[in-house]
Amino acid sequence: QKEVEQNSGPLSVPEGAIASLNCTYSDRVSQSFFWYRQYSGKSPELIMSIYSNGDKEDGRFTAQLNKASQYVSLLIRDSQPSDSATYLCAVKVGQNFVFGPGTRLSVLP
Amino acid sequence: GAVVSQHPSWVICKSGTSVKIECRSLDFQATTMFWYRQFPKQSLMLMATSNEGSKATYEQGVEKDKFLINHASLTLSTLTVTSAHPEDSSFYICSAKGSTSTGYNEQFFGPGTRLTVL
Repeated sequence: QKEVEQNSGPLSVPEGAIASLNCTYSDRVSQSFFWYRQYSGKSPELIMSIYSNGDKEDGRFTAQLNKASQYVSLLIRDSQPSDSATYLCAVKVGQNFVFGPGTRLSVLP
Repeated sequence: GAVVSQHPSWVICKSGTSVKIECRSLDFQATTMFWYRQFPKQSLMLMATSNEGSKATYEQGVEKDKFLINHASLTLSTLTVTSAHPEDSSFYICSAKGSTSTGYNEQFFGPGTRLTVL
């Protein structure tokens, strides 16, 4: 089993809709979880971090963590075409950061 | 805060030459830096983890003699691609682990270096 899994997509949503991105991980002792956004040809940019169970909101972004289910998600409200990118889930395992393969999101105008 | 720079941003070189890429944490001290490689339409691949003052830890399948990493200070790590070949053409991205205001260690990426080997 891969350590961090994501659906590769593409996930297509209409402008203004909620985009829901999911990530599962295998290491039960992981305590730190991150979402990065990567535009084509650019390096990843940290958009959210979450460390405890529940929801964490930042503007249009909400990260949700459920450690019992080993599941972390990212919701993007009022999706905009500029949100079209690949979203990488990362889990801190020990001193290392393990990345998922990324989900490609396409927001259609 | 938490800015990581890379230099150069794009380099084209002839096959057989060596290329050095610098990664700097500009406003924080990074005890650990990571080097990634990303081929078009593929995910990030961790090449090595570099701790200041010690030898880098390379991922399986990454040739340590070909990809030389030096982490001489808390703000600078370098990756040298020795005797580069066309198959080494890729997007090389460094990242640095630093503490944020929350006290947690987070990873911040540099802008990447696009290497094209002719």
